[in-house]
Amino acid sequence: EVQLVESGGVVVQPGGSLRLSCAASGFTFGDFSMSWVRRPPGKGLEWVSLITWNGGSTKYADSVNGRFTISRDNSKNSLYLQMNSLRIDDTAFYFCAKDQISAPSGTNPFDYWGQGTLVTVSS
Amino acid sequence: SYVLTQPPSVSVAPGTTARITCGGINIGSKAVHWYQQRPGQAPVLVIYDDSDRPSGILERFSGSNSGNTATLTISRVEVGDEADYYCQVWHSTSDHRVFGGGTKLTVL
Repeated sequence: EVQLVESGGVVVQPGGSLRLSCAASGFTFGDFSMSWVRRPPGKGLEWVSLITWNGGSTKYADSVNGRFTISRDNSKNSLYLQMNSLRIDDTAFYFCAKDQISAPSGTNPFDYWGQGTLVTVSS
Repeated sequence: SYVLTQPPSVSVAPGTTARITCGGINIGSKAVHWYQQRPGQAPVLVIYDDSDRPSGILERFSGSNSGNTATLTISRVEVGDEADYYCQVWHSTSDHRVFGGGTKLTVL
């Protein structure tokens, strides 16, 4: 059974930093691109970042580019999101999501999601 | 950036058909995916590549895509179908994944 479990969400002050983790199991983690998607309170889903199977390519939404860094450790079946210079509008539930197909393609849907971890940016 | 437009809300009676639209310039040329998110739960893929259903998703869920509009159709709607629904595509120019704003389905 595929499982994705996020952790690391806390309350942090504006300008602060935070590192989210996603522990994966039930599939060959190192074969698939992975993404972070967030949902601010009362708003819709927003794709945040993607990393290919070997970490060779990363993509970021314009809203986080230059502040967030996605990474992975395939030996630990883990995905990470380093979040710096946090702003109030970064407050959201953050989900990790798996691409459906192992061949890297932008057209892949997300077939499994974690339950999410809440990041609150507040003074 | 590529914009996907969904109606904020759709309301239907139980047993009827719900249609949720997703508008975008020439969206018919893109692969559209649909997700269901119930309150407090993770999103679930219900339709991928315009009209394919993942294993375990009921036949009551179907999809179509043509021109500037993609549509998720839920037949014989049940109270348990109440959720937020999101369409999603890949914007090739930016190489970004893009979500629609989401539609809240209410079953009256």
